[in-house]
Amino acid sequence: AQSVTQLGSHVSVSEGALVLLRCNYSSSVPPYLFWYVQYPNQGLQLLLKYTSAATLVKGINGFEAEFKKSETSFHLTKPSAHMSDAAEYFCAVSGSKIKTIFGAGTRLFVKA
Amino acid sequence: DTGVSQDPRHKITKRGQNVTFRCDPISEHNRLYWYRQTLGQGPEFLTYFQNEAQLEKSRLLSDRFSAERPKGSFSTLEIQRTEQGDSAMYLCASSSGTGPNTGELFFGEGSRLTVL
Repeated sequence: AQSVTQLGSHVSVSEGALVLLRCNYSSSVPPYLFWYVQYPNQGLQLLLKYTSAATLVKGINGFEAEFKKSETSFHLTKPSAHMSDAAEYFCAVSGSKIKTIFGAGTRLFVKA
Repeated sequence: DTGVSQDPRHKITKRGQNVTFRCDPISEHNRLYWYRQTLGQGPEFLTYFQNEAQLEKSRLLSDRFSAERPKGSFSTLEIQRTEQGDSAMYLCASSSGTGPNTGELFFGEGSRLTVL
């Protein structure tokens, strides 16, 4: 079975500060990992994905994530937060199964 | 716009009534998924189709729920005898490919159900 745990349901940062959203996964097969973002009243959009190529993955809007097999982690980072980054972020995993399993989400607040 | 569209966007119904949601995926996508999302939670998998075949259903999908994708294009999700616990956002997503899902899911904006 596969699962995802996102540490922290809410994260608050100041504009210009580092963003770090944590995700740990569990998978019995090599995982495919994703980060999605959901802005208010919009559908989920893919930020980035890891599919067994480079362990450091770059996504849209300056976000990146690093796959660490030894730590079963796939944390999302951005060096400098912008007000427009305020949203809910979901880590997700798929593997031998077709379905994608999502974490509970982390809501990011950005303070001026 | 040729993204995933869902209809209706909002539905308010009384307990015990039946409701149906429709999803139109991106036209060239052969896979279609239904998820349910409640406040403060991530999307929970309900079911998915490969073309017109329903290949997996979650245990969350009780016998009051039925989904179809009759011609491998649009899909419907029907909930019979709605209960207050069915209140949620119902999300549809589509993708293309075969084998494990390594690609992006394209989501619609969801259909919000409120059961009174």
